[in-house]
Amino acid sequence: KQEVTQIPAALSVPEGENLVLNCSFTDSAIYNLQWFRQDPGKGLTSLLLIQSSQREQTSGRLNASLDKSSGRSTLYIAASQPGDSATYLCAVRRVGETSGSRLTFGEGTQLTVNP
Amino acid sequence: AAGVIQSPRHLIKEKRETATLKCYPIPRHDTVYWYQQGPGQDPQFLISFYEKMQSDKGSIPDRFSAQQFSDYHSELNMSSLELGDSALYFCASSRGLATGELFFGEGSRLTVL
Repeated sequence: KQEVTQIPAALSVPEGENLVLNCSFTDSAIYNLQWFRQDPGKGLTSLLLIQSSQREQTSGRLNASLDKSSGRSTLYIAASQPGDSATYLCAVRRVGETSGSRLTFGEGTQLTVNP
Repeated sequence: AAGVIQSPRHLIKEKRETATLKCYPIPRHDTVYWYQQGPGQDPQFLISFYEKMQSDKGSIPDRFSAQQFSDYHSELNMSSLELGDSALYFCASSRGLATGELFFGEGSRLTVL
């Protein structure tokens, strides 16, 4: 069974700081890993998708890396802004005959960027 | 760009009643997923469909059922509702079963009184 862990559970930083969110997963046989952002009571917004054959993906101030062999991914946010405040969720898609389609989520990191 | 559409956005029901949630995937997406998110929890996978066939099943209660129709929209039917069913229900869609990126709707908030 795939288990996904995110550290830290919560993070508070001053505006402008660079920061790293961590995600680890127990089963390295994955199709891909996806990072999401969720604002309170809202839907999940896809930030970055990394396929298992890739090492990293970048979008604007966001950079996500994937080390499949060690079961780890990081989300780097550069020059953080108050608008980045949200919960960030990591999710992996495990390879399997019947479970290849599901995403398994971590519990998220609640980020607060203070002006 | 078109996104995943869910309806209704909010729903209030009494215990033991039934509820139906609808999901309209992004055009040309053939796979639909249902997730349940309780307060302060991460989304839990319920069930998914690929090309109108069930492709994966997670922690969906026997009181719930779902299907995907010929136009690829999906419905989640919930019967004998319990207080613990109160949650945010998300639908997501992707193109393909394994490697496609998932896009989520805004969710349907179900409150059971």
